[in-house]
Amino acid sequence: SQQGEEDPQALSIQEGENATMNCSYKTSINNLQWYRQNSGRGLVHLILIRSNEREKHSGRLRVTLDTSKKSSSLLITASRAADTASYFCATVGSGNTGKLIFGQGTTLQVKP
Amino acid sequence: NAGVMQNPRHLVRRRGQEARLRCSPMKGHSHVYWYRQLPEEGLKFMVYLQKENIIDESGMPKERFSAEFPKEGPSILRIQQVVRGDSAAYFCASSPSGGGSPLHFGNGTRLTVT
Repeated sequence: SQQGEEDPQALSIQEGENATMNCSYKTSINNLQWYRQNSGRGLVHLILIRSNEREKHSGRLRVTLDTSKKSSSLLITASRAADTASYFCATVGSGNTGKLIFGQGTTLQVKP
Repeated sequence: NAGVMQNPRHLVRRRGQEARLRCSPMKGHSHVYWYRQLPEEGLKFMVYLQKENIIDESGMPKERFSAEFPKEGPSILRIQQVVRGDSAAYFCASSPSGGGSPLHFGNGTRLTVT
């Protein structure tokens, strides 16, 4: 069964604003990862947060993880038009074979 | 260092034909994953392979679909007797180790069944 579910499904903001996307999952995890997909292309790994971590930063990206609520958020600060893409969370269930299960994604549009 | 290479990028098949999708992982990567994506949807896990072994095929349809990752050469996803519902983008990803390490994706093969 699908693990991650993103919210919102679509988000439209102006350049320079912050974008926040949320992900909820169902079972216990080893880690949670965020990926970006530009139209017509494969996914690109952005950041990985382990189950014993609460927050992680990478450049303009900030990821939080709340294992008690089984949820994560991705914050993109000072967004740029080039950030326009779909963003997916993916979870690795504890005790499974290590496969990543992806959510439905959030489509982000950043208007110049 | 070349990334994950998938070919062909686009594949058109008539109903009942066979589709063969190829994936060459990144150099040094021995773990390969296949995913299917329908328009405006997320990726659905299909199969996880290591060299010469299928580790997890829990997402593969029971009939018509098969996958292999031989000792030499690319990984192959094979769909026999394609139907219109098989039309989708198929993505391959690789990693140097399993256990949920980050994946490197190819740009996918877009299969259209007419």
